[in-house]
Amino acid sequence: GQQLNQSPQSMFIQEGEDVSMNCTSSSIFNTWLWYKQDPGEGPVLLIALYKAGELTSNGRLTAQFGITRKDSFLNISASIPSDVGIYFCAGQSFLDMRFGAGTRLTVKP
Amino acid sequence: DSGVTQTPKHLITATGQRVTLRCSPRSGDLSVYWYQQSLDQGLQFLIQYYNGEERAKGNILERFSAQQFPDLHSELNLSSLELGDSALYFCASSQQRVPPVTGANVLTFGAGSRLTVL
Repeated sequence: GQQLNQSPQSMFIQEGEDVSMNCTSSSIFNTWLWYKQDPGEGPVLLIALYKAGELTSNGRLTAQFGITRKDSFLNISASIPSDVGIYFCAGQSFLDMRFGAGTRLTVKP
Repeated sequence: DSGVTQTPKHLITATGQRVTLRCSPRSGDLSVYWYQQSLDQGLQFLIQYYNGEERAKGNILERFSAQQFPDLHSELNLSSLELGDSALYFCASSQQRVPPVTGANVLTFGAGSRLTVL
């Protein structure tokens, strides 16, 4: 079946630094989603991408739908302590949805 | 508050026991999904229901079962519990239609039920 490879697995950064993470797939998806999970909570949707090549921002977050439709990227600029959590990518095609294993982000003040 | 309600929030039980986790989807959502998240792991898809019927099955053990009721709430039953079943169990809901519509099928997650098996 379709597998998502999300990297890096974890990141330890200093407050104020920029962060990049990505997801790749062996197959094509029609939609890419990025979720964030705060400690002890459920994942919350950050950004949804609907078209290949699409670049979408949500505050300090920017995500892109790869042109091949097999990958997606999430960037966080000027990180702050509340950015701590696990970031999940998700790829969707009709009736199928897959999550990446997550990127665990730690931000040191 | 995401609008998806899960109970109980925490549950501690012994091996061999049976538990039921409950989920009320967001108002208007017809699909319910169950995910398992073990310590420091990703989200493992268990099962999906749409308007009372099973739609998709993931890596759900035979000891686990689920159902969605006419009022759209769902229950996940875990039996003959083992230590390895200790995990966070998330319910998510969406408006997914059948046949599917274009655009994203956005899942809204509940806060999870933390199961500890001793």
